[in-house]
Amino acid sequence: KAGVTQTPRYLIKTRGQQVTLSCSPISGHRSVSWYQQTPGQGLQFLFEYFSETQRNKGNFPGRFSGRQFSNSRSEMNVSTLELGDSALYLCASSLAEKGYEQYFGPGTRLTVT
Amino acid sequence: AQSVTQLGSHVSVSEGALVLLRCNYSSSVPPYLFWYVQYPNQGLQLLLKYTSAATLVKGINGFEAEFKKSETSFHLTKPSAHMSDAAEYFCAALSGGYQKVTFGIGTKLQVIP
Repeated sequence: KAGVTQTPRYLIKTRGQQVTLSCSPISGHRSVSWYQQTPGQGLQFLFEYFSETQRNKGNFPGRFSGRQFSNSRSEMNVSTLELGDSALYLCASSLAEKGYEQYFGPGTRLTVT
Repeated sequence: AQSVTQLGSHVSVSEGALVLLRCNYSSSVPPYLFWYVQYPNQGLQLLLKYTSAATLVKGINGFEAEFKKSETSFHLTKPSAHMSDAAEYFCAALSGGYQKVTFGIGTKLQVIP
């Protein structure tokens, strides 16, 4: 089975712009979660989607949003980028039943200048 | 809210020595617990998980972890460190509903030849 894929792998944006990141989960996985990883804060949960519905949301401002499509692929969007949004954004997919482990993609490295 | 504490953001061991990475969780209800490893510029890879079936959990690459409810701990060990074990290790907990996972801050393991 192919693993979780994320595109693009690297991205450079300017403050005030918006960005869309994409995640394709492992085939058969219906849950997709997004995390922000920074050296100072570690891994912070953004949100989780299951069957096109957001089931959980972390403590991030409304500039961070996401969606999931009927084929379980997911996108996250960050509007009005700030310097502090520079981070590695990780996507993880799961079978969704409680206790099942998450499988992570390689991440998208976003740099905001 | 669930919290995960990893003692020691950096740990150094000699090649062939015991690896011990510490993790404590906060929940009064034993959660599902995981250890992940992250190599530079990569996503997270699952090492092992605890789901209440057995207190001693064996994972990949010779790692194992023991769940101790009385100490609310889930420390990761490996009898003999190898150079390829140098990476960052994350302890994580899933409790409550769905896939909202809380990660520890991470421990960078350095293996000295």
